[in-house]
Amino acid sequence: KNEVEQSPQNLTAQEGEFITINCSYSVGISALHWLQQHPGGGIVSLFMLSSGKKKHGRLIATINIQEKHSSLHITASHPRDSAVYICAVRFRGVGETSGSRLTFGEGTQLTVNP
Amino acid sequence: NAGVTQTPKFQVLKTGQSMTLQCAQDMNHEYMSWYRQDPGMGLRLIHYSVGAGITDQGEVPNGYNVSRSTTEDFPLRLLSAAPSQTSVYFCASRLSTGPPGSPLHFGNGTRLTVT
Repeated sequence: KNEVEQSPQNLTAQEGEFITINCSYSVGISALHWLQQHPGGGIVSLFMLSSGKKKHGRLIATINIQEKHSSLHITASHPRDSAVYICAVRFRGVGETSGSRLTFGEGTQLTVNP
Repeated sequence: NAGVTQTPKFQVLKTGQSMTLQCAQDMNHEYMSWYRQDPGMGLRLIHYSVGAGITDQGEVPNGYNVSRSTTEDFPLRLLSAAPSQTSVYFCASRLSTGPPGSPLHFGNGTRLTVT
């Protein structure tokens, strides 16, 4: 069964700390997404990657295809980073006939205290 | 661009009632989809569309219908609401469907309660 596992489920940090959220998946993928869900419920796409590393501001996403693992890093964390971070993958071989289906992790609840 | 517009934001239904959740996007995206989000579970795909006139079932389609008469609109219909359909519903769209795809754009969600 194609699965996506995120860790930790919950993470509390102090402002300024370096944060890492992990995502592991079971079989080969063609793409991995990192999403952020705000306390109000809205979901935004942070990164889509299939190899290597991407950076946007204080956020860095990396992926290791061989180890089937991705990490989302937040540098100099801030209370406004408090949100649920969701990993989603498109397993290899899942094409248009399956609707480009993404499989989602359960999310990591991040709380950054001032 | 308004992005993905989803209405209503909240809805309460009685068991057996029907309703339509609206979703519209103004980004000319080929792909549109509906997800439900339940506590302790990841987002699950209900139905999706890869273009106008084309729809297909996702992971949890039972009790829901969709149509895609235009590129912009992708309504989700609950035929006869059940308490098990109490959830938060998200509409999402993306530009392309071929691998590796493109980033998803989400609506703001609809919190549905069925009593």
